[in-house]
Amino acid sequence: KNQVEQSPQSLIILEGKNCTLQCNYTVSPFSNLRWYKQDTGRGPVSLTIMTFSENTKSNGRYTATLDADTKQSSLHITASQLSDSASYICVVSHTGGFKTIFGAGTRLFVKA
Amino acid sequence: NAGVTQTPKFQVLKTGQSMTLQCAQDMNHNSMYWYRQDPGMGLRLIYYSASEGTTDKGEVPNGYNVSRLNKREFSLRLESAAPSQTSVYFCASSEIMVTPYEQFFGPGTRLTVL
Repeated sequence: KNQVEQSPQSLIILEGKNCTLQCNYTVSPFSNLRWYKQDTGRGPVSLTIMTFSENTKSNGRYTATLDADTKQSSLHITASQLSDSASYICVVSHTGGFKTIFGAGTRLFVKA
Repeated sequence: NAGVTQTPKFQVLKTGQSMTLQCAQDMNHNSMYWYRQDPGMGLRLIYYSASEGTTDKGEVPNGYNVSRLNKREFSLRLESAAPSQTSVYFCASSEIMVTPYEQFFGPGTRLTVL
């Protein structure tokens, strides 16, 4: 069964600290992996998109990595800010485009 | 550019009532989607429209219908609402459906069915 699992479910960190969120998937055949940020009460916003041939992609303080062999991805947030408090969602697509599987997300709380 | 807009933002229905959720995008995108988001679960695709004039079922289409009114607008209709349809509904759009593609999401409609 095609699945996307994220860990941890929730995380609390202090402002200025770094953190890493994990995503494991069993989707096959794999096409691409996306990370989204979803603020409370808002729709998801894309952070990074990685295809099979890419193993790292950065967007400011956000860096995503992909290991297609082990079917794992991580999202590293550097020097966290209060505005990073949100849910982070991992999304994996099948080859062929529209079939995407959304993870349940990791809820990040950044405290002052 | 407003991006993807959805109306209403909140709605409370009684079981058996009907309603239509509206979605519009101003990015000239070809593809549009409707998702639902439930606590502890990932977004699930209800219906999608790859291009104007076409619609297809997603993962959880039962109890819903859609209309691609024109290139900009994609509506979702609940004919007879049930408590199991209590959820947050998101509309999204993308330029095309050729992978990899970026989806842009609306702000969501929070629906409660009593």
